[in-house]
Parts: sequence; structure tokens; C-alpha cells
Amino acid sequence: GNSVTQMEGPVTLSEEAFLTINCTYTATGYPSLFWYVQYPGEGLQLLLKATKADDKGSNKGFEATYRKETTSFHLEKGSVQVSDSAVYFCALSATQGGSEKLVFGKGMKLTVNP
Amino acid sequence: EPEVTQTPSHQVTQMGQEVILRCVPISNHLYFYWYRQILGQKVEFLVSFYNNEISEKSEIFDDQFSVERPDGSNFTLKIRSTKLEDSAMYFCASMGGRTSREQYFGPGTRLTVT
Repeated sequence: GNSVTQMEGPVTLSEEAFLTINCTYTATGYPSLFWYVQYPGEGLQLLLKATKADDKGSNKGFEATYRKETTSFHLEKGSVQVSDSAVYFCALSATQGGSEKLVFGKGMKLTVNP
Repeated sequence: EPEVTQTPSHQVTQMGQEVILRCVPISNHLYFYWYRQILGQKVEFLVSFYNNEISEKSEIFDDQFSVERPDGSNFTLKIRSTKLEDSAMYFCASMGGRTSREQYFGPGTRLTVT
């Protein structure tokens, strides 16, 4: 079945540090790939997505590129801020039974210190 | 900006009691979902709903669970006889169409079963 594996953390960085969160996936067919972010005490927010190979999703300084050859969708940001402290989830959706359900990784908690 | 809303934000119930979790999806969306997140664990798919019927359900979604869209705006999850292990954060999500594959999440209902 479909699955997502991501770095679990927790990770603590200093402000302005470079961030990479690794994510790899296993899927049949052609999944869409997503990064969701969960700020403390809040629900899940869509951060970015990519729907086909070599697509790059970007938002709020974060980027991720859909790499079919390595089945990866790593999240990067060049300079993190304290406000980026959150839990980050990699996810995929694939048409399976018609529902487009999301399959999530375990999430990675990021803390950014000033 | 349209958003998914959920009520209540926190529900405490005794084991064996019935609970109904309520969601109002984004108004022109067609696909609806429930997910849950047990504390510290990954977000898990429960059920998807389209065209007034369940399109897919997970192994977690047993006979104790049911969903309903009673009036064209609300989308409810009922747990008939709660167990301790049902304690979790329950998220509702909606998606406009299968082309976008973007699911938008509500803030969640924290269910505590005592």
C-alpha cells in the first residue's frame, strides 16, 4: 500500500539556519505530494504541494521538489524564523478507491530559537 | 477566506457514551473526510464521503462509527459507544474536486474518553 517516511525529529535550530526535512514515499500510480504544517494548538494547514514529477511547490520561503526517480519530496527553507516552529507532515494522495485520501508521515517537530 | 469549522473544540465523555462531532466544510466542496490523530502519533485516515455516501473507510472505521451529511452543510462523525482508545484529535477536511487534490482541514475536536 501507499506509505510516507519522513524524518521524525524533534529538531531544534537557531534562527536563520537552513532547514531540510527528508520525506520519501511508496505509492502505486501517480500520487500528489504535500507538506502540511501544524502550529501549536492549531489544525493542519496546507503548506505546499506538487502534483507531478519535477514539479516544485513553494510557499512562505519553503520549497519541495517532486523527485520520481528517488521517490522523494524533501522540504527546504534557506533561513528559518522563530515563527516556523511547528510540526511538519509530509503526505501523499493517490486515487485509490476513488477517495483521494491522504496518507501522512509521522510528522517532525521543529523548534526555532532566537 | 472560506474555512472548515468544527464543533466542539473539546469533548469529554465517559466510556460507552455516544458522541457526535460536527463539521461545516467549505461550502462548494464535494469531498469530505475525517481523520484522527492520537496524541504524539501520525494523522490517520478514517473515512471519505462523496455524493452522499462513503467512498472509502479504513480498518479503524468499524461499526461503532458512522458519518452523515444531514442538511447539505454539516458533516458529522458519530461514535456510538466510545472506548478509551478513541481519545484523539479528530480532524474534518474537505476538498473541492479531484483535480485540485487539496484538502483543507478544520481546527479539530479533541475527544477525551474517561
